[in-house]
Amino acid sequence: AQSVAQPEDQVNVAEGNPLTVKCTYSVSGNPYLFWYVQYPNRGLQFLLKYITGDNLVKGSYGFEAEFNKSQTSFHLKKPSALVSDSALYFCAVMGLGNDYKLSFGAGTTVTVRA
Amino acid sequence: DVKVTQSSRYLVKRTGEKVFLECVQDMDHENMFWYRQDPGLGLRLIYFSYDVKMKEKGDIPEGYSVSREKKERFSLILESASTNQTSMYLCASGLEKLFFGSGTQLSVL
Repeated sequence: AQSVAQPEDQVNVAEGNPLTVKCTYSVSGNPYLFWYVQYPNRGLQFLLKYITGDNLVKGSYGFEAEFNKSQTSFHLKKPSALVSDSALYFCAVMGLGNDYKLSFGAGTTVTVRA
Repeated sequence: DVKVTQSSRYLVKRTGEKVFLECVQDMDHENMFWYRQDPGLGLRLIYFSYDVKMKEKGDIPEGYSVSREKKERFSLILESASTNQTSMYLCASGLEKLFFGSGTQLSVL
C-alpha cells in the first residue's frame, strides 16, 4: 500500500519569509511524487512533480521541492512567501506499476500574513 | 484551456435518494477519477476508469458506483444516499498530472 503523511495541519509564515511544507511518503519501489494546491473555492491545481533525475524539482509560482530518498521525504519550499500563497497544499504519491492511482495526504493549510 | 467540468457546484439531497454526479473532460484523457475530500482526511479515491466501460475500485468504493459510457464522461452514482456521504466530490482526468474539476459539495439530509 502507498501513503503520504503531511505532519503539519497548518503552517503560518510572514510575507517574505521562507515557506516549507513537509511531506513524507511510503511506497513500494520508486515513487512518483506530486504537489497540488487548492485556493479558496477553487479546484486543485498541479504545482510540480518528481519522476526521476535531479532531486530538486522546480514548479509553478516559484515553488520547488526536494526529493530525499533516504528520508522518504518530498518537502515543498518557496524562498520568499507571498500573501497570495495562502492556500491548502496536498502532497501525493503514485507507485510505479500501481495503475496510476494517486494517493493524497491530508493537506496542509498555509497562511501567509502581510 | 483544458477543462474538467462537474455538472453541479452544490447539491442537497435526502437520505435514500439516488444521486448522480456528472463529470466531463475535453482533453481526450483515457484515465478519469472520482475523489471525495473531507477536512483532515485529504482526498480519498472512490473509483477510477482507464477506458470506456472500464472501472476500478479505489480505496473507498462502498456505497458508490460509476458509469463510463463515453470517453469524455465519467459519472459517480450514489445508489441510496446517506448522511455520511455528505462531502466535497472531485473529478479528475489525466495520466501522471491530473486536472481537477471545481468540485461538487453534496449535502445529504
